[in-house]
Amino acid sequence: DGGITQSPKYLFRKEGQNVTLSCEQNLNHDAMYWYRQDPGQGLRLIYYSQIVNDFQKGDIAEGYSVSREKKESFPLTVTSAQKNPTAFYLCASSAKNEQYFGPGTRLTVT
Amino acid sequence: AQKVTQAQTEISVVEKEDVTLDCVYETRDTTYYLFWYKQPPSGELVFLIRRNSFDEQNEISGRYSWNFQKSTSSFNFTITASQVVDSAVYFCALSFPGSSNTGKLIFGQGTTLQVKP
Repeated sequence: DGGITQSPKYLFRKEGQNVTLSCEQNLNHDAMYWYRQDPGQGLRLIYYSQIVNDFQKGDIAEGYSVSREKKESFPLTVTSAQKNPTAFYLCASSAKNEQYFGPGTRLTVT
Repeated sequence: AQKVTQAQTEISVVEKEDVTLDCVYETRDTTYYLFWYKQPPSGELVFLIRRNSFDEQNEISGRYSWNFQKSTSSFNFTITASQVVDSAVYFCALSFPGSSNTGKLIFGQGTTLQVKP
């Protein structure tokens, strides 16, 4: 089936550790996005990539890094510099001005 | 400024009632897209509808309908004869087409709808 997969669904880390969230799509979409969702809030854009080997910062990029080595994959690394990393992270890809979302990863840092 | 406002934080209705979720947007662009997404408890965002700024025709899809009014910058969503399975968080969002735009979505805060049996 075509779609977007994110793994794992739940992730727990100790403060000070970097952690990488996976996002894979087989929709053949050029553009991919990472959003962060905090309780009671809408989604905020972290990073996006419109083509392989190119990506741009979104509204809240500080403390995060990404790579786009393959069209299908857009992993997000939450670094120890991110002050409040506990959140729900959603990956999306798009074509023709419609974005499709993965199931999300809930990250808890203690 | 480009912004989406969903003033209703939470709505609670009893099954079979009709319910309208409000969405007001701000933009100076003349070309844009408006979206509604549903987020059930599982967390995944489910695409419901996209409407472009040049098409003000209202749309109906089963129990769902959307009322787009450029004069009031609103894109409201009505669920008719609500069901328990409609319980979710609903997001309204805005984006802009064109090569100079990123395609990113600007989201409202979301409205949590609870439908009680």
